[in-house]
Amino acid sequence: AQKVTQAQTEISVVEKEDVTLDCVYETRDTTYYLFWYKQPPSGELVFLIRRNSFDEQNEISGRYSWNFQKSTSSFNFTITASQVVDSAVYFCALSESSYNFNKFYFGSGTKLNVKP
Amino acid sequence: DGGITQSPKYLFRKEGQNVTLSCEQNLNHDAMYWYRQDPGQGLRLIYYSQIVNDFQKGDIAEGYSVSREKKESFPLTVTSAQKNPTAFYLCASHKGARGLSEKLFFGSGTQLSVL
Repeated sequence: AQKVTQAQTEISVVEKEDVTLDCVYETRDTTYYLFWYKQPPSGELVFLIRRNSFDEQNEISGRYSWNFQKSTSSFNFTITASQVVDSAVYFCALSESSYNFNKFYFGSGTKLNVKP
Repeated sequence: DGGITQSPKYLFRKEGQNVTLSCEQNLNHDAMYWYRQDPGQGLRLIYYSQIVNDFQKGDIAEGYSVSREKKESFPLTVTSAQKNPTAFYLCASHKGARGLSEKLFFGSGTQLSVL
């Protein structure tokens, strides 16, 4: 079974529209971390946010906001007033701590196309 | 500036050939990872290393090998046993503190194609 599901394969919006990228995760751990990464055409994944399982407070950073809901195992990402530079593939990831190492599970990614 | 350097950016492999992808970091990180990315799929873990001279298989290690002789370096060899090597390969690292989930830092990747 998929640990992290990003059901939206590709989304296209027009500049200035708001867009929400969905992420649903599955874990039995009580302590875990959730991440969002952005992969621009250059290929390198860029860290956006990390949230631990005990902190359900939503976060806003400029035009970006994240909604974490443990009750629905979701960690959704909203871009307000999208811009062309937001065009990229966005990955949601889950990390479970263990004795051995931190294993990261990535979703399949959502490709966001922002058109001018 | 600290970061992860992957080389080459593009690599072509002939049938039956082994090729090595380079990954160097100057972040003083203990843990290093290799991921494979196929179109429309997430990142799949090939190998990881938590400390020098130690490494473990990930989910798709068959046909790949690694070494970790230096803290800064974690090269990946794609052997001839890997029958479908065409993919984008990403190297990553983090501090390696156990019990705390550090964020991963990524290199810019290597695109491997078969001739």
